[in-house]
Amino acid sequence: AQSVTQLGSHVSVSEGALVLLRCNYSSSVPPYLFWYVQYPNQGLQLLLKYTSAATLVKGINGFEAEFKKSETSFHLTKPSAHMSDAAEYFCAVSEGTGGFKTIFGAGTRLFVKA
Amino acid sequence: NAGVTQTPKFQVLKTGQSMTLQCAQDMNHNSMYWYRQDPGMGLRLIYYSASEGTTDKGEVPNGYNVSRLNKREFSLRLESAAPSQTSVYFCASSYRGVEYGYTFGSGTRLTVV
Repeated sequence: AQSVTQLGSHVSVSEGALVLLRCNYSSSVPPYLFWYVQYPNQGLQLLLKYTSAATLVKGINGFEAEFKKSETSFHLTKPSAHMSDAAEYFCAVSEGTGGFKTIFGAGTRLFVKA
Repeated sequence: NAGVTQTPKFQVLKTGQSMTLQCAQDMNHNSMYWYRQDPGMGLRLIYYSASEGTTDKGEVPNGYNVSRLNKREFSLRLESAAPSQTSVYFCASSYRGVEYGYTFGSGTRLTVV
């Protein structure tokens, strides 16, 4: 069964600093991987997804993630944090084509300090 | 562009009461989902509908029922609410399978007292 582990329930960075949110997954088949962002009192919004094309995936708002099969990781990065990046971020894993179930990690709340 | 619309946004129920959460999407998506979000647990799948006319159980279906009324609408019913069902409920849709990613509604915050 698939599972997702997000390392760190809270991450704090200074404005302008590198953002790194860690995600490791387990899957018995090549997975689809996703990062979602949730702003307060809102639903989740898709940031980016990996679906077996390029291993470095670029998303919205300057975020990107790299799929590393050997490390079973899909960490999310952004070179320079902005105050507006403060939110909760969820990593998720799905089965391959034709599947309808996505497993979400517990989430990492990102704080950005001025 | 409405996307996924959920109603109501907030609800307080007494233990044993019933209610239906409504969800509608206007993106011509085939698949729809109901998730619940609890602190520290991420989102857990309750039920999903791969296409109009089909529904299947997810990870935590007990205490819930669903109806895929048509391609646009997917409702979640609590027949006899329990305090353990206090949560934030999200409806989502996707074009087809999960590889397309989800579009989420803004959620329903449900409290059962």
